[in-house]
Amino acid sequence: DTGVSQNPRHKITKRGQNVTFRCDPISEHNRLYWYRQTLGQGPEFLTYFQNEAQLEKSRLLSDRFSAERPKGSFSTLEIQRTEQGDSAMYLCASSIRLAVTGELFFGEGSRLTVL
Amino acid sequence: TQLLEQSPQFLSIQEGENLTVYCNSSSVFSSLQWYRQEPGEGPVLLVTVVTGGEVKKLKRLTFQFGDARKDSSLHITAAQPGDTGLYLCAAGGAGTASKLTFGTGTRLQVTL
Repeated sequence: DTGVSQNPRHKITKRGQNVTFRCDPISEHNRLYWYRQTLGQGPEFLTYFQNEAQLEKSRLLSDRFSAERPKGSFSTLEIQRTEQGDSAMYLCASSIRLAVTGELFFGEGSRLTVL
Repeated sequence: TQLLEQSPQFLSIQEGENLTVYCNSSSVFSSLQWYRQEPGEGPVLLVTVVTGGEVKKLKRLTFQFGDARKDSSLHITAAQPGDTGLYLCAAGGAGTASKLTFGTGTRLQVTL
């Protein structure tokens, strides 16, 4: 399977705990995106990388959130001191920077439930 | 910030009916995409439209980009239960631009 891979698919945690999600993009894609989606809504942009550089962060990304893409390949999204409002589906997507129309290829998402 | 408003938010129809979903904005876009998302999965690209007035067909789905490139519609003919899902329009992200902004979504349920 050469698609975008995310793990874990599901994470249940208690409020105050830290969680980390991993995303492995399509290998030749140099852009990697993180989105958050709550039930029935469209995905909301969190941040994106071009290779290893984090080029943009949304105001949604509070100080408790940190994302890395250390070698320009896989990425991690860490949430520290989780809150119930962090419960959502966290989606990773990748693309090729020079693609004319900017299509994104999504993973299946990591669903976070904070109790 | 580009805002993409979709209507209706929710649509429940019977198999065989036709429907249209709309995506509207006050911004002009160089291109616009439609995605479908099934429960527990990530969105999957259906189509990209780039030219004002463009019409693209994908089996029973017809996509249109407005002449002014500010809006788009998705028409489904003879809906089937397999069409059930969340339909999302999205814009931005092309070439040197950064993020793709998604619409508010239309949840479609097709029953037998």
